Amino acid sequence: GENVEQHPSTLSVQEGDSAVIKCTYSDSASNYFPWYKQELGKRPQLIIDIRSNVGEKKDQRIAVTLNKTAKHFSLHITETQPEDSAVYFCAASPGSSNTGKLIFGQGTTLQVKP
Amino acid sequence: GAVVSQHPSRVICKSGTSVKIECRSLDFQATTMFWYRQFPKQSLMLMATSNEGSKATYEQGVEKDKFLINHASLTLSTLTVTSAHPEDSSFYICSARRGGAGTEAFFGQGTRLTVV
Repeated sequence: GENVEQHPSTLSVQEGDSAVIKCTYSDSASNYFPWYKQELGKRPQLIIDIRSNVGEKKDQRIAVTLNKTAKHFSLHITETQPEDSAVYFCAASPGSSNTGKLIFGQGTTLQVKP
Repeated sequence: GAVVSQHPSRVICKSGTSVKIECRSLDFQATTMFWYRQFPKQSLMLMATSNEGSKATYEQGVEKDKFLINHASLTLSTLTVTSAHPEDSSFYICSARRGGAGTEAFFGQGTRLTVV
């Protein structure tokens, strides 16, 4: 089955710096890769997603890149702000049909210092 | 965006009792919903796929007789934790996808279960 590995587990950056979180996946048939932000005790919130027919997607300060050959994808946050502090999860939808089922990475706790 | 609602948001129960958690899609129909469990400072772990009108599909290591799933309508799935033990204390979250392949999954607000 699908396995998703995420690194680093914690990341501390200074406000204004960039943050990069990386994930790898095992199922070569997977074609949908969302990223979620989760604050303590709250539901995960989708921040950006990418499908396998594109290599990069950008939304203001957030971008995601996908390398299907290497089976890895990354989240890039530029000009970080203290409110970006949260836990971030990558995920992959196993198989090619994208049923909505998601396998999550272990999570990255991002701390943005003012 | 689409709305998925869970109830209750918090529940405390005694060991040995059963607890039912509801997951509703409020503005769309969902033939498939998903249940996840999240322990403190850990990731979301998929427990099972809830299928409307048929049996749920459980992930390896999840006891189907302990975590009963019922998906009797296109807008409601329920997870019942039977004979709860303190180690079942966790954050349970459901999700559903509104559209076709490639569309995002929407999560319920989660249920914090504490077994005492």
